[in-house]
Order: sequence, then structure tokens, then C-alpha cells
Amino acid sequence: DAGITQSPRYKITETGRQVTLMCHQTWSHSYMFWYRQDLGHGLRLIYYSAAADITDKGEVPDGYVVSRSKTENFPLTLESATRSQTSVYFCASKGSGTSGGGTDTQYFGPGTRLTVL
Amino acid sequence: QKEVEQNSGPLSVPEGAIASLNCTYSDRGSQSFFWYRQYSGKSPELIMSIYSNGDKEDGRFTAQLNKASQYVSLLIRDSQPSDSATYLCAVNYGGSQGNLIFGKGTKLSVKP
Repeated sequence: DAGITQSPRYKITETGRQVTLMCHQTWSHSYMFWYRQDLGHGLRLIYYSAAADITDKGEVPDGYVVSRSKTENFPLTLESATRSQTSVYFCASKGSGTSGGGTDTQYFGPGTRLTVL
Repeated sequence: QKEVEQNSGPLSVPEGAIASLNCTYSDRGSQSFFWYRQYSGKSPELIMSIYSNGDKEDGRFTAQLNKASQYVSLLIRDSQPSDSATYLCAVNYGGSQGNLIFGKGTKLSVKP
């Protein structure tokens, strides 16, 4: 299917375990983003990527690792999950335009609800 | 620190009324502005984008931008119960990456 997908949609894990959340987009968008959404905080940027092999930190990167070996995939790894990482995680993508003309619109995946026990 | 502020609500309006959602931002260098709608348990979906001062209309939705006052608003005419959702304001502060800063959202409830 075309668009942006995330897997798994729901995940329960235990403190200290490694967890990887997957994101895949079929639009060949240059940019991809990972956000977490928590009550009272809204959407906060974890990491983003401008292209394959180019990643950078967002507002709340601690405890997370990303990679982007292919344009269409942008996995997010929690190396040692903590309870504070219980959240809903959204992946998003956008084209290469920086502003104007609609090319800077971000499109969101369906989200992954992660619970860390 | 770059911020985007929204009233958290809930904003309650009767069916058929106009709902007015407001957003202010802190950086005058902001270049583009977005309104997303998010239903409970779902992902944000784009409703409107606006880049220039003034109004932009799309069906029942009108986005208004005033860069001098650093606010952007969303009007929903003839509100329907299906419009009940949380509305997120997002601002592109520019730069090479064009990353967005999101407000915390305003919860809208449209009563039949």
C-alpha cells in the first residue's frame, strides 16, 4: 500500500529490553521524522533524517538511536527501554522543499503505542 | 526557545456554529503554518497550510495568518459532531531542515 506505515502498532516490553519501531514510506520523501506524543507535552521531535545516512537529533533524543540505510525506512531503537519511554510514537515524512508550496508538509504514519513495564 | 501556544480547551460549540481556534508563536522568522486534526487514538492529519498573511479558505475551513501579531487561527463553519477532535497548530521556523514545532493542541467538542 502507498503511504507511510509503522510497525508494530502496539508493543508491550519490559524495562531494560531493546525495542525497535519500524517506519516505511512509499513516497520517496527525502525527510523522515520520529515524534513521541505524551499527555501534557504534545508532539516532540526525537530524531529526523534529511536523506539516507543523514540523521540528526531533535528535542528529546536521549535513550533513542536511529539509522537510515534506505530512503524508505527509518527505524527507531530504544536501546534499553525505560518506563518514561512509554508513549505513542509517530513517524512522519515530507518532501525535500523547505518552505512554501506545500512541499514542507509532513505526513504522519498511524503510530505505535509502546508500553514499558 | 521557539514556542507554539494553544488553548488546551476543551472548546465546546453547538452543531452548526462557528468554531474558532487560535495559536500564537514566538519567532518572527516563521515561514509556514499548519493545522492538523487528530481524532482520539489516531494520527494527525493535515487540514490546512498557510504561508502568507490573510485568509485561506478550503470548504468549511478558513485559516487566518497575521505575521505582525504572530498568530494563526482556524475557523470551522457549520461545525459538525464529526469535527470533534484535537486540533494541532504547527509552525515551520525555517532553516535548512524545515522542522515543525507543534502546539499542544486544542480539544474541540461539537454538541448535537
